[in-house]
Amino acid sequence: DQQVKQNSPSLSVQEGRISILNCDYTNSMFDYFLWYKKYPAEGPTFLISISSIKDKNEDGRFTVFLNKSAKHLSLHIVPSQPGDSAVYFCAAISNFGNEKLTFGTGTRLTIIP
Amino acid sequence: NAGVTQTPKFRVLKTGQSMTLLCAQDMNHEYMYWYRQDPGMGLRLIHYSVGEGTTAKGEVPDGYNVSRLKKQNFLLGLESAAPSQTSVYFCASRRSGGGTEAFFGQGTRLTVV
Repeated sequence: DQQVKQNSPSLSVQEGRISILNCDYTNSMFDYFLWYKKYPAEGPTFLISISSIKDKNEDGRFTVFLNKSAKHLSLHIVPSQPGDSAVYFCAAISNFGNEKLTFGTGTRLTIIP
Repeated sequence: NAGVTQTPKFRVLKTGQSMTLLCAQDMNHEYMYWYRQDPGMGLRLIHYSVGEGTTAKGEVPDGYNVSRLKKQNFLLGLESAAPSQTSVYFCASRRSGGGTEAFFGQGTRLTVV
């Protein structure tokens, strides 16, 4: 049962344009959502997070939007840069219960110079 | 500050052999996690721990055992390795409270032949 889903395995975006990565979830008990970035042969690194009581969080070029009614979140990267090429994972935490950190399947973002 | 360190980084096992992967963190984090990453499958949770002496099953626990005898260490054991356990294994840790980010190790690439 995949509770966190990333339906786009890959995405290509022109340098300087906006990249939008999407994530859907099924568990309404999730309290926090996080985005991670992963380069080949390295561990994932944290990018940005959002609490379930908010609908937007911004950090520099990165903005995460949460739509609780649709159980959907998205990561916007503006402007996209070549160094943004990586695999992006969406993750979710349920604090009241088991503290599981559940990840999606990932989206490979390629920035075209 | 080393963060999260995984040992070993690479290993080749024969079917039926056993081994232990070690994860060590120096951030005094309460929570620790073991994931496996396979193509198209994202990061799948094997086992996790919310404190010294406690462990819990994740999404894909079969064929693995874990122990958390010391707060800073989380061991993942394969009692009888199978080719289906060929994967890249990641350990992560995070402190308790809210949507705190998890810090990952660099991964262990395991091949079972």
